[in-house]
Amino acid sequence: AQSVAQPEDQVNVAEGNPLTVKCTYSVSGNPYLFWYVQYPNRGLQFLLKYITGDNLVKGSYGFEAEFNKSQTSFHLKKPSALVSDSALYFCAVSRSGGNLIFGKGTKLSVKP
Amino acid sequence: DAGVIQSPRHEVTEMGQEVTLRCKPISGHDYLFWYRQTMMRGLELLIYFNNNVPIDDSGMPEDRFSAKMPNASFSTLKIQPSEPRDSAVYFCASSLWDGETQYFGPGTRLLVL
Repeated sequence: AQSVAQPEDQVNVAEGNPLTVKCTYSVSGNPYLFWYVQYPNRGLQFLLKYITGDNLVKGSYGFEAEFNKSQTSFHLKKPSALVSDSALYFCAVSRSGGNLIFGKGTKLSVKP
Repeated sequence: DAGVIQSPRHEVTEMGQEVTLRCKPISGHDYLFWYRQTMMRGLELLIYFNNNVPIDDSGMPEDRFSAKMPNASFSTLKIQPSEPRDSAVYFCASSLWDGETQYFGPGTRLLVL
């Protein structure tokens, strides 16, 4: 069975500092991994995905994520956080022929 | 493309009334998903369609909920009768194929009084 875990309910970062939002997954076979962002009163927006290839994936708004097969992780990162990055972030996993399974979300708060 | 379109954006109704939520997926997407989001339960998959056919409705909470997709460009989620515990944000999403990126609509915020 597929599952995804986001171990932190909330991450607090000062503006300008690097940020990391953690995600670990469990799936049989090769995983497809996604990050979405949700701003208040908005739908989920696709940020980036990993299906195959380079383990470091670059996405929208300066975000990137690193696929680590041995640790079954797909952490979201950004070198320098902005206040406008404050939002709810969802990790999701799937495999070919399967649906996306979403984590419970991590609230990112970036303070000036 | 305009993206996934949902209507209405907000709905306030009284307990016992019928509620119909609407969704227009991205043109060419073969998969359509309905989700519900609440503070308590997070994001839940209710049902999904492939080429207008319901594939998995195991997430539909009870018989009061029904969903249809009469054609490739339109789907509805109906709640009859509605109850206060149905209050949530309902999202529609579509994708080219299963396992691929899903694109979400803006959601319908439902409040049942």
